[in-house]
Amino acid sequence: DADVTQTPRNRITKTGKRIMLECSQTKGHDRMYWYRQDPGLGLRLIYYSFDVKDINKGEISDGYSVSRQAQAKFSLSLESAIPNQTALYFCATSGSGGGDTQYFGPGTRLTVL
Amino acid sequence: QKEVEQNSGPLSVPEGAIASLNCTYSDRGSQSFFWYRQYSGKSPELIMFIYSNGDKEDGRFTAQLNKASQYVSLLIRDSQPSDSATYLCAVNAPRGNNRLAFGKGNQVVVIP
Repeated sequence: DADVTQTPRNRITKTGKRIMLECSQTKGHDRMYWYRQDPGLGLRLIYYSFDVKDINKGEISDGYSVSRQAQAKFSLSLESAIPNQTALYFCATSGSGGGDTQYFGPGTRLTVL
Repeated sequence: QKEVEQNSGPLSVPEGAIASLNCTYSDRGSQSFFWYRQYSGKSPELIMFIYSNGDKEDGRFTAQLNKASQYVSLLIRDSQPSDSATYLCAVNAPRGNNRLAFGKGNQVVVIP
């Protein structure tokens, strides 16, 4: 079984709808991250969490919110989806050491019409 | 100044040749350096990490780190068509809560 899983893998939705993307991990890592990737723009950090009680904004947090329900679960919500949020979304995890390797989930392809 | 820069455009190399990728970073306090490979539509996967100045070899891959000049490079020897992918450089950012900062990536195309 995969260590980092994301659901759904693909989602098509309409402008204004609320969407939740979920991430679960079995690696026992404390740190979890949400990224989006757009062609030519690389990976951009949306939110990250160093433990259940710690949530931090990344470089592009506007329009997104997160919830760290447990050490193993980190969800990303789009409260009111807009077309420019169409992208590939990745969840990642890492250990607690500064600069530890990040391990990525398989990604969610989100299309907002 | 961007935290991590990968400026080269797509790199085309003949099969069997050496592909060379470069990356520069801005935070002198960075201690951990990573290269990820990403196939189109797939998630990034770690191929190399390096912490100390000098070279680190793993199979056909060699990572090179020069902290004084703030660059890290990746060499792919005997390039194979399966090496065709985008390669992402990542560096820990002590001034950024010690998260990883990623470059935009370099696309490599290996021509059979």
